[in-house]
Amino acid sequence: QQQVKQSPQSLIVQKGGISIINCAYENTAFDYFPWYQQFPGKGPALLIAIRPDVSEKKEGRFTISFNKSAKQFSLHIMDSQPGDSATYFCAAGGSRQVTFGTGTKLQVIP
Amino acid sequence: DGGITQSPKYLFRKEGQNVTLSCEQNLNHDAMYWYRQDPGQGLRLIYYSQIVNDFQKGDIAEGYSVSREKKESFPLTVTSAQKNPTAFYLCASSIRAIRNYNEKLFFGSGTQLSVL
Repeated sequence: QQQVKQSPQSLIVQKGGISIINCAYENTAFDYFPWYQQFPGKGPALLIAIRPDVSEKKEGRFTISFNKSAKQFSLHIMDSQPGDSATYFCAAGGSRQVTFGTGTKLQVIP
Repeated sequence: DGGITQSPKYLFRKEGQNVTLSCEQNLNHDAMYWYRQDPGQGLRLIYYSQIVNDFQKGDIAEGYSVSREKKESFPLTVTSAQKNPTAFYLCASSIRAIRNYNEKLFFGSGTQLSVL
């Protein structure tokens, strides 16, 4: 049972463009929504996270938008750079563990 | 350097063989986790441990076993009962068990397990 649905599976964006990745969750008990970035052959690393009582959080070029009523959240990468090319995972956390989405492979082309 | 060390980086398993993946952390974190990563399926939780000598099954624990005899160490054994073990295995830790938005996961660099 997939509790966190992520789309698209892959994404190609021109350098300087905006990358958008979407996630939807089912369990209303989730109260922690992080995004992780993973480069090939490495483990994921936390990129940015949001609380459910906030609709948006921005850190540099990365912004999370959160819609609690729709149970959806998204990652926006502004001014995308080739160095942003990686796999991005959304996740939703509850009381004891975090459930991950299936990942989006982002390629930023020059 | 503080962090999580996984070894080996690559591991090959023969039919009917048990293999053990090592995970060591020097972050003084209470909680440790094992995830399995398959292409297109994201990260799935195998086992987690919140404290020494205690661990809980995750979503896909069948065919795996763990131990937590020391705070720093959380080895994963892939047993012969796991019929499809080929995957990228990730160990992670957090200061405490995930309870609120502050509890981020720190990941190791992973072990790629393949079947001969």
